[in-house]
Amino acid sequence: DAGITQSPRYKITETGRQVTLMCHQTWSHSYMFWYRQDLGHGLRLIYYSAAADITDKGEVPDGYVVSRSKTENFPLTLESATRSQTSVYFCASSESLIGQGGHGYTFGSGTRLTVV
Amino acid sequence: ILNVEQSPQSLHVQEGDSTNFTCSFPSSNFYALHWYRWETAKSPEALFVMTLNGDEKKKGRISATLNTKEGYSYLYIKGSQPEDSATYLCAFLSSSNTGKLIFGQGTTLQVKP
Repeated sequence: DAGITQSPRYKITETGRQVTLMCHQTWSHSYMFWYRQDLGHGLRLIYYSAAADITDKGEVPDGYVVSRSKTENFPLTLESATRSQTSVYFCASSESLIGQGGHGYTFGSGTRLTVV
Repeated sequence: ILNVEQSPQSLHVQEGDSTNFTCSFPSSNFYALHWYRWETAKSPEALFVMTLNGDEKKKGRISATLNTKEGYSYLYIKGSQPEDSATYLCAFLSSSNTGKLIFGQGTTLQVKP
């Protein structure tokens, strides 16, 4: 099915463990983004990518690593999870900075991560 | 640090009321302003992307205006319905930081039947 999918939907991990959140899109969109949702902060940009092998930091990149070897995949890795990284993570994609036809970015369903 | 502010933070209206909210953003290096609608337990959905000063966009009962020179955008909902209850997010894209779409904290609208 066409679309943007995130996996897993829910994840519980322990402090200090490495965890990877997956994001896959089927449109061959150039741009992909990772945001985290936190109470009082709304959506904050972690990392984004303008194309395969091109990534850049967002507002809150510390403690996260991304890669984009293929256009359709943009995994987000927490190298050593901390409790402060407990959040809901959203992936988004877009063909351009204003979205397809000027209609904005398309978001995945989110991954709820709990670090205990 | 780019600052995107939305007001009010929350709003309660009766069904049938018309309402509006404000998004303030830096007036320099403007590239685009996005508006999204975000229902509880769902993903944000794009409403509008505005790129030109004076832009006006409309989708059904929802419309938006843009003033890039003074750095604000208004979102209007005419005749609010309970299904309009959601958080409305604006997001600013700067021409000097292309790719970094920065969101405001949102305005949460509750429409009472």
